[in-house]
Amino acid sequence: DTEVTQTPKHLVMGMTNKKSLKCEQHMGHRAMYWYKQKAKKPPELMFVYSYEKLSINESVPSRFSPECPNSSLLNLHLHALQPEDSALYLCASSLMNTGELFFGEGSRLTVL
Amino acid sequence: AQSVTQPDIHITVSEGASLELRCNYSYGATPYLFWYVQSPGQGLQLLLKYFSGDTLVQGIKGFEAEFKRSQSSFNLRKPSVHWSDAAEYFCAATGTASKLTFGTGTRLQVTL
Repeated sequence: DTEVTQTPKHLVMGMTNKKSLKCEQHMGHRAMYWYKQKAKKPPELMFVYSYEKLSINESVPSRFSPECPNSSLLNLHLHALQPEDSALYLCASSLMNTGELFFGEGSRLTVL
Repeated sequence: AQSVTQPDIHITVSEGASLELRCNYSYGATPYLFWYVQSPGQGLQLLLKYFSGDTLVQGIKGFEAEFKRSQSSFNLRKPSVHWSDAAEYFCAATGTASKLTFGTGTRLQVTL
């Protein structure tokens, strides 16, 4: 199994809503990542979890709240988002110390 | 500062023609190097990687890349392009396993 599964694939939310993006992998990877990608741009790193602990936060606004309940799951909790937060949110995982990432297909978020 | 440069924003090739996508990096030491491909609305897929050793690396889908230390380059090549190769291609590098630096991407269009 070499898949990273992200749900939902599409999400539309208002600025006052609370929603969550979910990511799951069963490759035994111990590092998991959230990236944000705007149209025609490369992915931008948001958070990195290593062994279920947050190791990197790229100065992301607190309206984005990551959570790693176990080594296979990664969530991104969303609250009070702005329209400019509309983007493709990509989850990825990797074996430690390789830099080789396996990406999910992403969750397309639209904030109204 | 660490950076990855992809000089070509958009390239168009005919099906069956050869392809070369350029990538240059600026790092203090030789980083780990990667090429990823992204089809529209999809996540990123790893094409190939270079860690050390043989400077010509083979990847999936018939792609190869050559690492040239003297030119700080890691160009991607394919002898004969197929229409299904049309996508966005990202070169990436990392000096530490947790943070990839992506280039701005090259959009490949294939004409029939």
